[in-house]
Amino acid sequence: ETGVTQTPRHLVMGMTNKKSLKCEQHLGHNAMYWYKQSAKKPLELMFVYSLEERVENNSVPSRFSPECPNSSHLFLHLHTLQPEDSALYLCASSQDSQIATNEKLFFGSGTQLSVL
Amino acid sequence: AQKVTQAQTEISVVEKEDVTLDCVYETRDTTYYLFWYKQPPSGELVFLIRRNSFDEQNEISGRYSWNFQKSTSSFNFTITASQVVDSAVYFCALSEAQNNDMRFGAGTRLTVKP
Repeated sequence: ETGVTQTPRHLVMGMTNKKSLKCEQHLGHNAMYWYKQSAKKPLELMFVYSLEERVENNSVPSRFSPECPNSSHLFLHLHTLQPEDSALYLCASSQDSQIATNEKLFFGSGTQLSVL
Repeated sequence: AQKVTQAQTEISVVEKEDVTLDCVYETRDTTYYLFWYKQPPSGELVFLIRRNSFDEQNEISGRYSWNFQKSTSSFNFTITASQVVDSAVYFCALSEAQNNDMRFGAGTRLTVKP
């Protein structure tokens, strides 16, 4: 148990659906992250939030829309996705958003997303 | 641009064998940090170790050891006397001091057979 909880664990959606991924951290951290893990590809950083402000947006398509209502919760809203968006979406948290100075990121177990 | 290469896609060993996972990195920064994470079947990545670019001392933690060689830009990870519970995907990652991004390698899937 890492203190980072993601729901749902699995999600199947059509290309016209709208769905949301949820992440909650119980560690009192100030920064939260969304990563995408595709088969046989390195993890890709999508978004970084620090104290509820977005500090990084790595050229992610607008069909992915993050939301951070408070420092404990992070959402990823999905709409009109493509089959190539099928992947494991991982949420992580850290004490602050300076990744290089942090001891470690704490990851959730991810949401396995399949887009049909 | 920072880059991490894990050339071994999959490794399979028999329990009690030693195994080394390779990691080679590229960076132009003189201050950077290297990490190893373990991803068991449950999905969450678990932090194993963090080293900074100024500390080349090798580290041992139980059956795990890490060999950091700046001359070859490598940060290899060795598991001694492997166990079935070591089966997982292992990721090497690099973070430069000025960047707010941790770059991961593609991962090495380790299978330890009984």
